[in-house]
Amino acid sequence: QQPVQSPQAVILREGEDAVINCSSSKALYSVHWYRQKHGEAPVFLMILLKGGEQKGHEKISASFNEKKQQSSLYLTASQLSYSGTYFCGTETTSGTYKYIFGTGTRLKVLA
Amino acid sequence: DGGITQSPKYLFRKEGQNVTLSCEQNLNHDAMYWYRQDPGQGLRLIYYSQIVNDFQKGDIAEGYSVSREKKESFPLTVTSAQKNPTAFYLCASSILDRVNTGELFFGEGSRLTVL
Repeated sequence: QQPVQSPQAVILREGEDAVINCSSSKALYSVHWYRQKHGEAPVFLMILLKGGEQKGHEKISASFNEKKQQSSLYLTASQLSYSGTYFCGTETTSGTYKYIFGTGTRLKVLA
Repeated sequence: DGGITQSPKYLFRKEGQNVTLSCEQNLNHDAMYWYRQDPGQGLRLIYYSQIVNDFQKGDIAEGYSVSREKKESFPLTVTSAQKNPTAFYLCASSILDRVNTGELFFGEGSRLTVL
C-alpha cells in the first residue's frame, strides 16, 4: 500500500513556509524525497535512513520519525522554483531496495 | 554524459497489441526500476531488478513483463493483458549503496497512449 502524503495540495506565497508529511502503514527503513516538475522526471532531494540524522540543504530539510513511521519535508522561505509535485519514496525492508512512492503533494508558489 | 535513456518518448498503440519500452543506462548502476504514473497520481512500482537475470514484481506487475539480460538494459513490455495501459512510464536506476546516497536517477519517461 502506498504511503499517504498530506496535504494533497498547497498554495503558498513566496517567502512562506510549508510542511509535507509522508505516513506509512509499515515500518520504514529509509525515506527519499523527490520533486517533479510538470512533464519532467522526478529529481532527488534527499535520503533519510533509519537511525540517521535529520537532513537538509539550502532551505529544504526533512525529518524521519521511525516510531510514527513517517517523514516530513520542510520548505522554508519558499521560492517560485519550489513549485512542483513532491513525492516520498519509502523502503520498508533493509536490503530490498524496493522503493514505494507516496501519493504526492502538489505545491504551487505564487509571486 | 552518463544517464538513463528511455525510448520512445511517445507511443501510440492499438488495443490488443504488445509494446516494448526501452530503458538503457550508462551509469553502471546495479538496480533498475519501472514505475507507472497516471495523471495527478503518484508513482507505482511495476518491476525492479537488482542484478542481471533477476527481477522482482512490484505492486502492479499484472499485464507487464521485463527482462534483464544486460546490466545496462531493462526493457518493459506492456502486453495486451494490461487492461488500462495508457500512462506515463518512468524508468530509474540506482547504486546498491545507501551510505552514499542510494538515490534513484530517472529517465525522461515514455508516454503510452492506447487508441
